[in-house]
Amino acid sequence: LAKTTQPISMDSYEGQEVNITCSHNNIATNDYITWYQQFPSQGPRFIIQGYKTKVTNEVASLFIPADRKSSTLSLPRVSLSDTAVYYCLVGDINFNKFYFGSGTKLNVKP
Amino acid sequence: DSGVTQTPKHLITATGQRVTLRCSPRSGDLSVYWYQQSLDQGLQFLIQYYNGEERAKGNILERFSAQQFPDLHSELNLSSLELGDSALYFCASSVTTPNTGELFFGEGSRLTVL
Repeated sequence: LAKTTQPISMDSYEGQEVNITCSHNNIATNDYITWYQQFPSQGPRFIIQGYKTKVTNEVASLFIPADRKSSTLSLPRVSLSDTAVYYCLVGDINFNKFYFGSGTKLNVKP
Repeated sequence: DSGVTQTPKHLITATGQRVTLRCSPRSGDLSVYWYQQSLDQGLQFLIQYYNGEERAKGNILERFSAQQFPDLHSELNLSSLELGDSALYFCASSVTTPNTGELFFGEGSRLTVL
């Protein structure tokens, strides 16, 4: 099972771009990389998912290098409402055991 | 609103007691997952069901059990409760299994054991 490692916390200011990197050195061939956002006392919410290269949606971008041993979630122009915990998740599609890591607590300051 | 419904939202009970948490997945979703999140802790995967059958088991204690019924709702039973069982319990659902990781989470059931 691929273990993920993320920074425990990050600070940013409103309007800045935030990049959160996740390390997953033993990612398997069938694994996808998924990011979730969680606000206090709420369930996590899906942000973005990718397998390789770059994926972009209306909320974020996900960059995955060719070796897939890491990934970077990019949040453009963050606002105070982006203050949350962000989880990187590497999913084994064969066994469906979705293990969340410790997450990165992002604090956006005015 | 994710479409996943969990009840009760809050529950306070005493040590040694037993409680049942209920989850109704999104319409059409066949997979249900249970997670535990203690104060300031990450999400611990407990167990997964697919169309009524247990599919994967994580860090679930023997005092805990779960099942998924023919109508696809699921229940998590917690017995012989201890203070350390106080946590937020989340249910999530997804369309099918295997899938690539998009889970839809409910708002959670907050359990307080006194």
